[in-house]
Amino acid sequence: GAGVSQSPSNKVTEKGKDVELRCDPISGHTALYWYRQSLGQGLEFLIYFQGNSAPDKSGLPSDRFSAERTGGSVSTLTIQRTQQEDSAVYLCASSSYTYGGNSPLHFGNGTRLTVT
Amino acid sequence: SQQGEEDPQALSIQEGENATMNCSYKTSINNLQWYRQNSGRGLVHLILIRSNEREKHSGRLRVTLDTSKKSSSLLITASRAADTASYFCATDLDNNNDMRFGAGTRLTVKP
Repeated sequence: GAGVSQSPSNKVTEKGKDVELRCDPISGHTALYWYRQSLGQGLEFLIYFQGNSAPDKSGLPSDRFSAERTGGSVSTLTIQRTQQEDSAVYLCASSSYTYGGNSPLHFGNGTRLTVT
Repeated sequence: SQQGEEDPQALSIQEGENATMNCSYKTSINNLQWYRQNSGRGLVHLILIRSNEREKHSGRLRVTLDTSKKSSSLLITASRAADTASYFCATDLDNNNDMRFGAGTRLTVKP
């Protein structure tokens, strides 16, 4: 079946503008993750959704960042008043939830955000 | 926050040699996973080892886990140029699949 889909694949925006990044997880996956990766760096955790539980937002770097997941499926990551340091690849992943955390993550190809 | 740290940051070897990458983590875990990333885009899951396992094999991959030292290693045997990629370990913070990744090891396999 279809994998995790992210859109757009590339986004160039001017400093101060708002952007929305979209993630379509694999159908039936209840867990959804957002990570950020700067050039040559590791994955920085942003937010984790699991079913109807309150999301783990502990990784969001500032209140300019927010994310929602509608109907337990599609997720949107919104960055308000973008800054140049927000430039990075934003990766979304989903997994089928199992208690004990034994499910591999399936990643999308990411959205490359460039703030000019 | 990052849970795991890979070592070395970069590794360059000749084709046919073995490559060993290490991962250390901070808290107790339920499982540890290794991923591969080409070209800075999506990661691909390689192998998962549970906390009650000590070693696991998959093709040319061998993963070990030492929970007393909070460390894991990934061994790629008989490396190929196509193995050139970044490799990341990931661990769960709790029983809830809340996964954190390390900074990765950049592996270059020269033909």
